[in-house]
Amino acid sequence: QQPVQSPQAVILREGEDAVINCSSSKALYSVHWYRQKHGEAPVFLMILLKGGEQKGHEKISASFNEKKQQSSLYLTASQLSYSGTYFCGTETPDSWGKLQFGAGTQVVVTP
Amino acid sequence: DAGVTQSPTHLIKTRGQQVTLRCSPKSGHDTVSWYQQALGQGPQFIFQYYEEEERQRGNFPDRFSGHQFPNYSSELNVNALLLGDSALYLCASSFRLADNTGELFFGEGSRLTVL
Repeated sequence: QQPVQSPQAVILREGEDAVINCSSSKALYSVHWYRQKHGEAPVFLMILLKGGEQKGHEKISASFNEKKQQSSLYLTASQLSYSGTYFCGTETPDSWGKLQFGAGTQVVVTP
Repeated sequence: DAGVTQSPTHLIKTRGQQVTLRCSPKSGHDTVSWYQQALGQGPQFIFQYYEEEERQRGNFPDRFSGHQFPNYSSELNVNALLLGDSALYLCASSFRLADNTGELFFGEGSRLTVL
């Protein structure tokens, strides 16, 4: 089952912060985050495994609450280069290898 | 180091035809996953191949089939094409880990249009 992302879209000014949420109705084993720019392939940002890890990539970080089956991606002090569509992908313990993506959150960072 | 390469990049077919898409994984990768991405949507998991076998499959009909070769490259075949099969088909390669899908490296995709 696909994870649910929110919000669907967000518009930011440079330097502002944003949070993207990803939730699942099933117990999760791992959460993956990818960013896709228009006309390009998705690019890996980070993986979070069960255990509540918080990882970072530049000023982008994420957390994973396995009890709530939720993950959040934090865009801090956003830059123009952060614009794109962010996808979370989830794996369940009984079907690892089957990474299923949400519908995406479109992020637009303006000057 | 070449990344993931897919061919063809664009193709147009008519309903009922068959199509084969090809993917060469990133050097050192042994696992290939295929995704379908409709316009404005997230990638939908079709299947994953490892050691020349289909290991996981998403909710796609049997019209979608695949193959992995000894050199780890892969093909996606779609028979009896429908208008709804029009989409970007993404191939992603990875190195199989013991307990989770590792980092996926995506190709640029094959844009299929069915008329």
